[in-house]
Amino acid sequence: AQTVTQSQPEMSVQEAETVTLSCTYDTSESDYYLFWYKQPPSRQMILVIRQEAYKQQNATENRFSVNFQKAAKSFSLKISDSQLGDAAMYFCAYRSTETSGSRLTFGEGTQLTVNP
Amino acid sequence: GAVVSQHPSWVICKSGTSVKIECRSLDFQATTMFWYRQFPKQSLMLMATSNEGSKATYEQGVEKDKFLINHASLTLSTLTVTSAHPEDSSFYICSASPPLAVNEQFFGPGTRLTVL
Repeated sequence: AQTVTQSQPEMSVQEAETVTLSCTYDTSESDYYLFWYKQPPSRQMILVIRQEAYKQQNATENRFSVNFQKAAKSFSLKISDSQLGDAAMYFCAYRSTETSGSRLTFGEGTQLTVNP
Repeated sequence: GAVVSQHPSWVICKSGTSVKIECRSLDFQATTMFWYRQFPKQSLMLMATSNEGSKATYEQGVEKDKFLINHASLTLSTLTVTSAHPEDSSFYICSASPPLAVNEQFFGPGTRLTVL
């Protein structure tokens, strides 16, 4: 079974600064998807970024980018020019392409605080 | 983007009663929906995978007779918590994947259940 680990329960960053959230995963599969989701105080899950394992290029979405290291099974999220609205719980998630359905396995989450 | 709704957004019930939570995909048909449970400051835990027209697949440790799932149409899945107890109080979230975007899950806004 796949597991996802986020070793940072809490992180903080100054507004306009850059912060990196860590995520590692364990799998024996070669093809899969990785995601970062944001859960603000409203608790609505919002997709931040997605990475396909067979793509070597790191995904980027505006101020959000990932550092995907497949061999190390690491998938960190970098938030540049942090804004107050970035404050939320961030979840790393894994999805297999080899099993049926599109179930997600989530990490424990990292609570990000943005200080003005 | 695809929209998933949940109803109700919050519910309070007495111990021993049953509560039904609805999950609807508003602008797409979903053959598969997922039900998650989230305790405060914790991650999302998959409870079951709901398949249209067939029985749900429950995760290990989730009581089938307590958490009844029905996926009678391509846009609606329901979760019924039977004989609710205070320990069932939690945040319940559903998600669904559009047929042409099975690599992505869209989440409902969640339902907060409080059992007195």
